[in-house]
Amino acid sequence: AQSVTQLGSHVSVSEGALVLLRCNYSSSVPPYLFWYVQYPNQGLQLLLKYTTGATLVKGINGFEAEFKKSETSFHLTKPSAHMSDAAEYFCAVSVLGYSTLTFGKGTMLLVSP
Amino acid sequence: DAGVIQSPRHEVTEMGQEVTLRCKPISGHNSLFWYRQTMMRGLELLIYFNNNVPIDDSGMPEDRFSAKMPNASFSTLKIQPSEPRDSAVYFCASSPTSGGLNTGELFFGEGSRLTVL
Repeated sequence: AQSVTQLGSHVSVSEGALVLLRCNYSSSVPPYLFWYVQYPNQGLQLLLKYTTGATLVKGINGFEAEFKKSETSFHLTKPSAHMSDAAEYFCAVSVLGYSTLTFGKGTMLLVSP
Repeated sequence: DAGVIQSPRHEVTEMGQEVTLRCKPISGHNSLFWYRQTMMRGLELLIYFNNNVPIDDSGMPEDRFSAKMPNASFSTLKIQPSEPRDSAVYFCASSPTSGGLNTGELFFGEGSRLTVL
């Protein structure tokens, strides 16, 4: 079975500052890792994903994440926060061939001017 | 392309009433999921279908909940009778396969916000 832990239910940054959202996973087999974003009153949408190959993955809106097997981590970063980045971010893990994603509890990103 | 379509977007009902939520997945996607989201419990997987067949319904909270997928383009989630603790946002999501394997990449609808008074 796999699991995900997101550190911090809320993260606050100033506009223009670095965004770092932390995610650690547990999986007995090589994982597929995902970050999803949820804007208010909307469904989740895929931000980026890691399956195999390059461990640094780039996604939409300037976000990227790095798969670190030794640390079992998949932290999400963005060099410079924008007000429009304010949303809830979910890390998720799955295994190839299996449909079920296991989601973390989410981290709310707050961006102040 | 149309995304996952859910209806209704908002439903307010009284305790004891039947509630039916509907979902049209993205054409060509083989897997369909129903999730429930609340502040207290976050995102919970209720049930998922593969090729219209229910694969895992272990997340369905009680016998009051039932889900069907009569064809590849339609699914329903029914609550009968509804209770106040069922108040939540219910999401439907669909997922494509790649080389016959599920990718784990989900496409979510905008959700149905249910309030049971």
